[in-house]
Amino acid sequence: DTAVSQTPKYLVTQMGNDKSIKCEQNLGHDTMYWYKQDSKKFLKIMFSYNNKELIINETVPNRFSPKSPDKAHLNLHINSLELGDSAVYFCASSRTGRTEAFFGQGTRLTVV
Amino acid sequence: EDQVTQSPEALRLQEGESSSLNCSYTVSGLRGLFWYRQDPGKGPEFLFTLYSAGEEKEKERLKATLTKKESFLHITAPKPEDSATYLCAVQGKVEAGGTSYGKLTFGQGTILTVHP
Repeated sequence: DTAVSQTPKYLVTQMGNDKSIKCEQNLGHDTMYWYKQDSKKFLKIMFSYNNKELIINETVPNRFSPKSPDKAHLNLHINSLELGDSAVYFCASSRTGRTEAFFGQGTRLTVV
Repeated sequence: EDQVTQSPEALRLQEGESSSLNCSYTVSGLRGLFWYRQDPGKGPEFLFTLYSAGEEKEKERLKATLTKKESFLHITAPKPEDSATYLCAVQGKVEAGGTSYGKLTFGQGTILTVHP
């Protein structure tokens, strides 16, 4: 029933580790996004994929690597985690064009 | 670069006390302005899309309006369940491979608290 689902919801890990966050949407959308929400609640786009192709890459460190195996999935892999990576990461999807994006429930990443 | 500024940062209202939230924006080629509601621990929930100046949208106690430089979210006779963070976002244009795509830029949000 869930439109955009992310796993896991919480992720606590040590500095230097590598971790992945998975996202799936069942809305039939062709564009998917990753957003980062920092401690001040500011939501900023990281990546956007359209039909499995990278469209937007907003000056994100190359430790972050998105992967889209198909239109319904967009995963985020993070290498060599740093303290500053601690944030809430949101996946979203939309139809191409001037349409609203629908968001997942977020993954709270804490790097210790 | 697209920019969105929301004010106030926080707003406390008594139940039934109407007020407005402001969203000022600069964007090259506005494709749409979006209002979202975000509850603690959850993802943003879509409320409205506005496409052109003069447009208005309503949903229950909320009404969104749009001018060429700003948008307002009017809350009429709010209830405690309206308490949330309200986010404004503009969709600008990104060209890639000869095709135009949308890119959302968010404001920092307004934290609304409605006391019974």
